[in-house]
Amino acid sequence: AQSVTQLDSQVPVFEEAPVELRCNYSSSVSVYLFWYVQYPNQGLQLLLKYLSGSTLVESINGFEAEFNKSQTSFHLRKPSVHISDTAEYFCAVSDPSSDKLIFGTGTRLQVFP
Amino acid sequence: EPEVTQTPSHQVTQMGQEVILRCVPISNHLYFYWYRQILGQKVEFLVSFYNNEISEKSEIFDDQFSVERPDGSNFTLKIRSTKLEDSAMYFCASSDSLDRGNTEAFFGQGTRLTVV
Repeated sequence: AQSVTQLDSQVPVFEEAPVELRCNYSSSVSVYLFWYVQYPNQGLQLLLKYLSGSTLVESINGFEAEFNKSQTSFHLRKPSVHISDTAEYFCAVSDPSSDKLIFGTGTRLQVFP
Repeated sequence: EPEVTQTPSHQVTQMGQEVILRCVPISNHLYFYWYRQILGQKVEFLVSFYNNEISEKSEIFDDQFSVERPDGSNFTLKIRSTKLEDSAMYFCASSDSLDRGNTEAFFGQGTRLTVV
């Protein structure tokens, strides 16, 4: 069975500082990896995903995540955050043979001016 | 931009009562899902639904739960006799792909269910 661990429940950071949100997973099969973001009072939105190929994937708003198979990690990074990045970020994995996503507990990113 | 909408945003119900959570998926999507998140815990998969039948369900989705697509646009989750531990945020999602695991699921904003 797959599982996802997000060790940091909250990450406070000042605007324009870099940030890394950590995600580790465990699985006995190859998985797909996702980051979802939830802005206040909104649904979960897909931020980026890794399916295959290049281990570095990017989103349109400057986030990137790197799939590291040896460390079973898929950490999310941004070199310079904005106030508008304040949100809850969820890491998730999916089994190619299944319909479901397995989520982590989420990391609340709080960006301060 | 098309979106998944859920109603109500917050529902309070008494223990033992039936509750129906409603969702309008994106119109051309074929796969529908319910997830829930108990406060402070992980977002958990409940059930997936395709072609008018359950495709996959988790161990959480017991006989107290049922799903239905009554009219071709709405997708509902019914809890027959609510328990205190059913209090959670319930997310509906939909997708248009048959490619399992590789599908972008579009989520609604959630319904917060509080059982008192």
